Amino acid sequence: NAGVTQTPKFQVLKTGQSMTLQCAQDMNHNSMYWYRQDPGMGLRLIYYSASEGTTDKGEVPNGYNVSRLNKREFSLRLESAAPSQTSVYFCASSEAGENTGELFFGEGSRLTVL
Amino acid sequence: AQTVTQSQPEMSVQEAETVTLSCTYDTSENNYYLFWYKQPPSRQMILVIRQEAYKQQNATENRFSVNFQKAAKSFSLKISDSQLGDTAMYFCAFRSYNTDKLIFGTGTRLQVFP
Repeated sequence: NAGVTQTPKFQVLKTGQSMTLQCAQDMNHNSMYWYRQDPGMGLRLIYYSASEGTTDKGEVPNGYNVSRLNKREFSLRLESAAPSQTSVYFCASSEAGENTGELFFGEGSRLTVL
Repeated sequence: AQTVTQSQPEMSVQEAETVTLSCTYDTSENNYYLFWYKQPPSRQMILVIRQEAYKQQNATENRFSVNFQKAAKSFSLKISDSQLGDTAMYFCAFRSYNTDKLIFGTGTRLQVFP
């Protein structure tokens, strides 16, 4: 009963380094999301994917790229990390058009950029 | 663009008492979902309650209930018989029927005291 799985849970980077956050869901959901959470700012949408092969920008996409590898997996890449990208990142999934509208979240990944 | 506003950064309540968390939102759409998510110290996002805009009846889930005022664009959460385990961040969120995006407020930190 895994749900949404994110890796890694914690990561420390130096400015300019690159890394990829991995996300996988086993609920056969069409839609997947990446959010970042910063103190006092709630969760802000970075990118989302309504279906396999499609991605769209959210509120704060600058500095990030995403790949919807298949229906299960949605990765978030930081090509050149900056201290402003220090945050907790959440992956989520939902069934597009499903009548509850609910998003299911992973446990979060804490990223620190020095 | 839709926005969600939570005007109470922090709230506190004594165990067994009742507390109400406020949320307002702005949208020009008529069909949408509203949610309250709970984030305990474990960081996991947990759905507390959901309301569909077309339903006039307020949603309830055990000790949790909402006061949904569509005309006023208000969606408050009432927690009755507060328990220590209710201590968490609470996020109000909006999702239109026409989009896959879930928009969050900035959150309210609730502390339940013994």
